[in-house]
Order: sequence, then structure tokens, then C-alpha cells
Amino acid sequence: AQTVTQSQPEMSVQEAETVTLSCTYDTSESDYYLFWYKQPPSRQMILVIRQEAYKQQNATENRFSVNFQKAAKSFSLKISDSQLGDAAMYFCAYRRGNSGGSNYKLTFGKGTLLTVNP
Amino acid sequence: NAGVTQTPKFQVLKTGQSMTLQCAQDMNHNSMYWYRQDPGMGLRLIYYSASEGTTDKGEVPNGYNVSRLNKREFSLRLESAAPSQTSVYFCASIRGRALPEQYFGPGTRLTVT
Repeated sequence: AQTVTQSQPEMSVQEAETVTLSCTYDTSESDYYLFWYKQPPSRQMILVIRQEAYKQQNATENRFSVNFQKAAKSFSLKISDSQLGDAAMYFCAYRRGNSGGSNYKLTFGKGTLLTVNP
Repeated sequence: NAGVTQTPKFQVLKTGQSMTLQCAQDMNHNSMYWYRQDPGMGLRLIYYSASEGTTDKGEVPNGYNVSRLNKREFSLRLESAAPSQTSVYFCASIRGRALPEQYFGPGTRLTVT
């Protein structure tokens, strides 16, 4: 079974600084996707960024980027120029690829609570 | 386009009562999911429906039943609520193989006393 581990229960960053959230995962599959979701106090789950395992290039979305190390099974999220609105719980999630049947469930880590200090 | 909607947003039940959480999506997605979120646990899959007419158990199905009423709607039923089912419940959907992202509803906070 796949597992996702987020080793930092809480992190804090100063506004305008850069912070990196860690995530490791365990899988025997070669085809999969990795995601970072943001959950602000409103409780809504918001997709931040996605990475396909077959792509060597790290995904980037504006101030958010990932460092995907497939061999090490590591998938960290870097937030640059942190803003007060980035304060939230961040979840790393894994999904098997399309060749593994029809269950496209997400396996989540336990989350990292990010505080942004003004 | 409302995306994924859930009702109710909040609910308080007494132990032994039953209720149904409703979920609907208007994105013509094939697969739908029910997760629960507990403090320090992340989200865990309760049940899923890969396509209309099919349902399967996830990691934590005990105490729950589901119905995929049609392509749009996927409901979660608690027949006899227990305090251990106090949680936040999320419904999610995905189009299928080609588009990997799951889209989430706003969640239902359920308290069982």
C-alpha cells in the first residue's frame, strides 16, 4: 500500500520569505501523480500543484514550485515570496497512474500547518 | 457551474441517529469519492464510485453506506451514528483517466454526541 509522510506538523515563515514543506512517499508503482493541496480555515481543499511521475521537469505554478526526486521518493513544495494568504494546512497526496484500474483515490499525508508572520 | 456541492454544511446528531450526507457535481465526472478528515490524520477514503452504478469500499468503510443515485449524485449514509464518526466529511469527483485532479466539495462538519 502506498503511504505519504509529512514530517513537519507545523512550519512558520516571515512574509516575503521562502519556505519549503517536505513530503516523502512510498510506492512500488512507476506510474503515479503527486499533488499538493491547500486547506485554509474555510476548510475548502484547493489544488496547489500537480506533478506527473514520468516528467523529469519540476512543476511550477507562479510562486509555488516542487522539487521532485523520484529515486528518493521525495516531493517538497517551495513557496516563494510568502503572503499572509498562504497561511493554511498543506497536504501532500499521491494517486496511482491510469494503468492501475479505476480507483483513482488519493492517499494523503497528515498535513503541515503553515503560519505566515507579518 | 457550481462544481461539487455538499449538504448540509454542519450537523449535530445524537448517538444512534441516522442521517444522509448529500453530494452532487455538475462537471459530468465519472468517479466520486467520500473522505473523512480527522485531526492529525489527513483525509481517509470511506467509499468511492468509479462510475455510475458501482461502489466500492475504501480504507474506513465501517458504519457507512453509500448510494450512487445517478452520474451527478453520490450520498453517504450513517445508519446508527457513533461518537467515533465525529469528523469533517468531504466529497470529491474526478473526470477519469485523462484528468488526474480531484475536485472537492466544501465539506460537512458532523458532530455525534
